[in-house]
Amino acid sequence: AQSVAQPEDQVNVAEGNPLTVKCTYSVSGNPYLFWYVQYPNRGLQFLLKYITGDNLVKGSYGFEAEFNKSQTSFHLKKPSALVSDSALYFCAVRDYNQGGKLIFGQGTELSVKP
Amino acid sequence: KAGVTQTPRYLIKTRGQQVTLSCSPISGHRSVSWYQQTPGQGLQFLFEYFSETQRNKGNFPGRFSGRQFSNSRSEMNVSTLELGDSALYLCASSLGTSSNTGELFFGEGSRLTVL
Repeated sequence: AQSVAQPEDQVNVAEGNPLTVKCTYSVSGNPYLFWYVQYPNRGLQFLLKYITGDNLVKGSYGFEAEFNKSQTSFHLKKPSALVSDSALYFCAVRDYNQGGKLIFGQGTELSVKP
Repeated sequence: KAGVTQTPRYLIKTRGQQVTLSCSPISGHRSVSWYQQTPGQGLQFLFEYFSETQRNKGNFPGRFSGRQFSNSRSEMNVSTLELGDSALYLCASSLGTSSNTGELFFGEGSRLTVL
């Protein structure tokens, strides 16, 4: 079965420092990977996706993600963190063996301190 | 254009009751998916509808059901509520079915509390 794992429940970063939120995947076939962000009491907002092509994908709010096939990873990155980036981040993969539904990781709570 | 709209945003029910949640997708989107979010289980897929047909279903008991109307609006129903059904229910829409590679656009969710 397709799956994604987010090894860190929480990531703490100082404002202005680079941030990385980790995601690894396990899929058969080509992976279609996504990152979403969720602010308190809100729905999920799409950040970026990898389908094919360049391994470095740029998304919303200055976020980018690097697809690494050999390491089966799709880490989310941002060069300079903002306090307003504090939120819950989800990595997800399309499971085409089960109709294409999104399989989500457990989420990583990002806290950016001033 | 307007995003995905879910109603109600918050509701409280008691065990044994039933509940209906509504979702209006982004204009032009024909696919609607439902997810349940809980602290313990995370985000779990419930079902997907496209052109009024259920295309995919997650591993939830038959108490969870849904439907889609000709205008692409969708409803989900949970009967005989249990305490464990307390969750944030998220609706998401997309242009095509989940078999394509497009992203899903989520609503703000309906937070259900079962007492």
